[in-house]
Amino acid sequence: NAGVTQTPKFQVLKTGQSMTLQCAQDMNHEYMSWYRQDPGMGLRLIHYSVGAGITDQGEVPNGYNVSRSTTEDFPLRLLSAAPSQTSVYFCASRGRGGEETQYFGPGTRLLVL
Amino acid sequence: GNSVTQMEGPVTLSEEAFLTINCTYTATGYPSLFWYVQYPGEGLQLLLKATKADDKGSNKGFEATYRKETTSFHLEKGSVQVSDSAVYFCALSPSGGSNYKLTFGKGTLLTVNP
Repeated sequence: NAGVTQTPKFQVLKTGQSMTLQCAQDMNHEYMSWYRQDPGMGLRLIHYSVGAGITDQGEVPNGYNVSRSTTEDFPLRLLSAAPSQTSVYFCASRGRGGEETQYFGPGTRLLVL
Repeated sequence: GNSVTQMEGPVTLSEEAFLTINCTYTATGYPSLFWYVQYPGEGLQLLLKATKADDKGSNKGFEATYRKETTSFHLEKGSVQVSDSAVYFCALSPSGGSNYKLTFGKGTLLTVNP
């Protein structure tokens, strides 16, 4: 198993540009989430999904869109990037069971100029 | 809402020293509690967890006990190594089964010197 994979590893954008951060998992996990990590802030939940076709907002959803067309993939879209979205983004997944562990991807470092 | 407060770092120790990183939480009911570790340039890895009061999670020499009465989940290790240098995050997931939504503390950077 590759686990949770994320692409790209690093990206530089200009203000107003759009892009999609990719996340995929090969563990057949129902639940997937996106977090952003900022210095001194820990990780904060952006959006999450409890299954294909179902998404919901987390703590800091503004400026981000998600979709879940398959169990494996959960892309995060920035429609018009802003400098405040400079961060490290982590995707995570877990199975349905009550005591399942969340597995995190290696992260995407995004710089918005 | 739920929140996690953990000891702010950075923490610098010498090899073989004793480590404590404090973590307290605010949540209703009986959340599950976690410690995650992030090594330089990597994603987060689960270090240990506890799902009910008085449970002790342990892994790689690290331990933490779920204390409901003090709403705490302090991380300890008796003898740290240089390879333990990393950022440590305390986290909780709410009771009731929705534990795909984690609430994290701000993280504590640990540096262990030889």
